[in-house]
Amino acid sequence: EPEVTQTPSHQVTQMGQEVILRCVPISNHLYFYWYRQILGQKVEFLVSFYNNEISEKSEIFDDQFSVERPDGSNFTLKIRSTKLEDSAMYFCASRGDGTEAFFGQGTRLTVV
Amino acid sequence: GIQVEQSPPDLILQEGANSTLRCNFSDSVNNLQWFHQNPWGQLINLFYIPSGTKQNGRLSATTVATERYSLLYISSSQTTDSGVYFCAVERVGNQFYFGTGTSLTVIP
Repeated sequence: EPEVTQTPSHQVTQMGQEVILRCVPISNHLYFYWYRQILGQKVEFLVSFYNNEISEKSEIFDDQFSVERPDGSNFTLKIRSTKLEDSAMYFCASRGDGTEAFFGQGTRLTVV
Repeated sequence: GIQVEQSPPDLILQEGANSTLRCNFSDSVNNLQWFHQNPWGQLINLFYIPSGTKQNGRLSATTVATERYSLLYISSSQTTDSGVYFCAVERVGNQFYFGTGTSLTVIP
């Protein structure tokens, strides 16, 4: 069964450092998403990406965040200068046209 | 945005018992999915069910889109069913809106 793959599974970084979270969506999917979940809380939307551009973003997705689909297969989330409150599980998801969305296994980001 | 409410927030069951989890949403949607978040934090797809009824083993789900709710039934619960169950809804091309989840604990 096709799956969304995220790397790394766990990343520890120092406050102020840049991190890049990587995702390989399911091939032939058209819509891509990043979500995050702070420990014990609900899953929150960050950004959606369609046709090589951001289609929607939340208030959380400020200038410190960016997304890219550099080569047609990878989908990355960059946090430029991490803060303690960025510590969370980050999920990538992808979906085809009119089909269900699949989520990756998540990257647990810990900012120290 | 769309409000998604799940009930109950917490549920403790004896192994073998049945349960019903509910998801109410505030606006019309094109997509509704149920997920199980396992102890490792992974979101496992259970059902893609924008309308109608589906069954998969001991689990089944029903969505009544016109009345803006969905139900997830778990029968003969097992300890491995423990975890958090999320409902998420979407209007096509937009974000998924997640509920706050139902935390299920099944005790032997």
